[in-house]
Amino acid sequence: GDKVKQSPSALSLQEGTNSALRCNFSIAATTVQWFLQNPRGSLINLFYLVPGTKENGRLKSTFNSKESYSTLHIRDAQLEDSGTYFCAAENMGYKLTFGTGTSLLVDP
Amino acid sequence: ETAVFQTPNYHVTQVGNEVSFNCKQTLGHDTMYWYKQDSKKLLKIMFSYNNKQLIVNETVPRRFSPQSSDKAHLNLRIKSVEPEDSAVYLCASSYGTVNTEVFFGKGTRLTVV
Repeated sequence: GDKVKQSPSALSLQEGTNSALRCNFSIAATTVQWFLQNPRGSLINLFYLVPGTKENGRLKSTFNSKESYSTLHIRDAQLEDSGTYFCAAENMGYKLTFGTGTSLLVDP
Repeated sequence: ETAVFQTPNYHVTQVGNEVSFNCKQTLGHDTMYWYKQDSKKLLKIMFSYNNKQLIVNETVPRRFSPQSSDKAHLNLRIKSVEPEDSAVYLCASSYGTVNTEVFFGKGTRLTVV
């Protein structure tokens, strides 16, 4: 958890609003993945990033390797977006180092 | 639909028993992993195998042992479970070992009573 600091740890949003999650890395990340862990516990792949930006529907993610951070933007939050969001960094290969997660609750 | 399959979904056992969890991936990947997610939801790597060869072995107790029959299968055996072994164990796979996207199974929740 210390090598990948994720913020905020918890977040509550009204349906239809926007927000941003962030990960700061103290390791030299080469790639970043973002996952959503749903209430059943499944880790759903959201983004796999080399330095740069990707967008998928209401989600947009950026990985800035020079400044050692990644962000996940959620636009027009929906109830089904609720869950725990994890970022994970690859450093030297062979494994992912995970952040501590952001617990998101979207209210109607 | 997940392409990394884990069994069982849940397992409850007593301290001192042996348990074994199975994992199979149908993605044609050559690297497989076991991660442990604790009660605080923190995810940590335990083992990584590439083409049936162990390449990562983090500091885990000796009672944990991975077993790979081929590159599509990676099982996890725990001899003589302890209460602190209660967690969710997540299997994953990827194509290659560097700069590669990792895909996870649904996890096996172990409760040691």
